[in-house]
Amino acid sequence: AQTVTQSQPEMSVQEAETVTLSCTYDTSENNYYLFWYKQPPSRQMILVIRQEAYKQQNATENRFSVNFQKAAKSFSLKISDSQLGDTAMYFCAFMNPRRGGADGLTFGKGTHLIIQP
Amino acid sequence: GAGVSQTPSNKVTEKGKYVELRCDPISGHTALYWYRQSLGQGPEFLIYFQGTGAADDSGLPNDRFFAVRPEGSVSTLKIQRTERGDSAVYLCASSPTGASYNEQFFGPGTRLTVL
Repeated sequence: AQTVTQSQPEMSVQEAETVTLSCTYDTSENNYYLFWYKQPPSRQMILVIRQEAYKQQNATENRFSVNFQKAAKSFSLKISDSQLGDTAMYFCAFMNPRRGGADGLTFGKGTHLIIQP
Repeated sequence: GAGVSQTPSNKVTEKGKYVELRCDPISGHTALYWYRQSLGQGPEFLIYFQGTGAADDSGLPNDRFFAVRPEGSVSTLKIQRTERGDSAVYLCASSPTGASYNEQFFGPGTRLTVL
């Protein structure tokens, strides 16, 4: 079974600053997928960025990028030029492709990110 | 286009009652997932449908929980003899196929409160 750990329950930064959210995971699989989802107060989870484990290059989506360290089983999210609208819960998630999508996502407990004006 | 919708958005019930939670996935999405999110936790996987069949229901906590997707579109999560511990937000997500790399599109969830 996979586990995902997010060790920062809450983080707070000033607008326009850069912030990094940490995530570690445990798996015996060699191929898998990692995701960061954002959950604003509306509760609707939104995909921020995804990484395929067999790709060495770190994924980037505009202001969002990841630092994927496969050997260390670490998958951190960096948000550059943070904006007030980035305030939300952020969840790291793992998907084991061994049975297709049948296992669902395994989520961490989340980090509550607060962007201060 | 329309996203994933879930009804009701909030449900309050009494211990021992039966409840049904509905999920309307994005049109054409064959994969559908149910998750449960307890307060202060990340979502936990409950059940996965590929088309009409429940391909994996290993996450259902016990036999009081049951889900159907009879025509491969709308799904209903059914909870019998509700307990206070069932109080949580129930999230539904759909995906174009069941492929692992696909983004799952989530609905806004149903907040279930069992008194």
